[in-house]
Amino acid sequence: SQQGEEDPQALSIQEGENATMNCSYKTSINNLQWYRQNSGRGLVHLILIRSNEREKHSGRLRVTLDTSKKSSSLLITASRAADTASYFCATAPTGANSKLTFGKGITLSVRP
Amino acid sequence: IAGITQAPTSQILAAGRRMTLRCTQDMRHNAMYWYRQDLGLGLRLIHYSNTAGTTGKGEVPDGYSVSRANTDDFPLTLASAVPSQTSVYFCASSDSVASDVLTFGAGSRLTVL
Repeated sequence: SQQGEEDPQALSIQEGENATMNCSYKTSINNLQWYRQNSGRGLVHLILIRSNEREKHSGRLRVTLDTSKKSSSLLITASRAADTASYFCATAPTGANSKLTFGKGITLSVRP
Repeated sequence: IAGITQAPTSQILAAGRRMTLRCTQDMRHNAMYWYRQDLGLGLRLIHYSNTAGTTGKGEVPDGYSVSRANTDDFPLTLASAVPSQTSVYFCASSDSVASDVLTFGAGSRLTVL
């Protein structure tokens, strides 16, 4: 069963605007990751935030993690048409031999 | 270019037929995974291998089998395909079980009629 639930399911914004995507999860985690998938392609890892971190940046990406609320957000600043893709959060639960579990994804459309 | 190669990219298969999806990585990653992606359901783990010679069941293993004879190859076999196995299948790898960060292949689209 899915551990992470993304919100919203779909997001449409104008180029240059910021895009905020949220993820909630249910159990304790070691880390949370965000992946991107372009249409017809495989997933590509974007960023990882560990359970003891609260915020992380990578270029135009900013990820926050609130373990007390079991939630994370991914912010893409100054969006571009090329950011159009599906975005997935994935959680690495604590516990021996636990595997990365993906949410259902958010479809982001950036209008030129 | 280092990465994961999946084959075939697309296949149409009659129900009841046997099918093997191939996956090869050249990154010397220890762990490998097979996911299926279905509309509205996201990615679900079918089988995994923490290291060569070992395999384990994921969330949706029924109807699928895997083997890990060496580090590089991780084939997924459907012994007798059924229409509910129509999906896009992704192979992935990570350099260790602890690292968690996955590198994905481009996917294999399978249609079972």
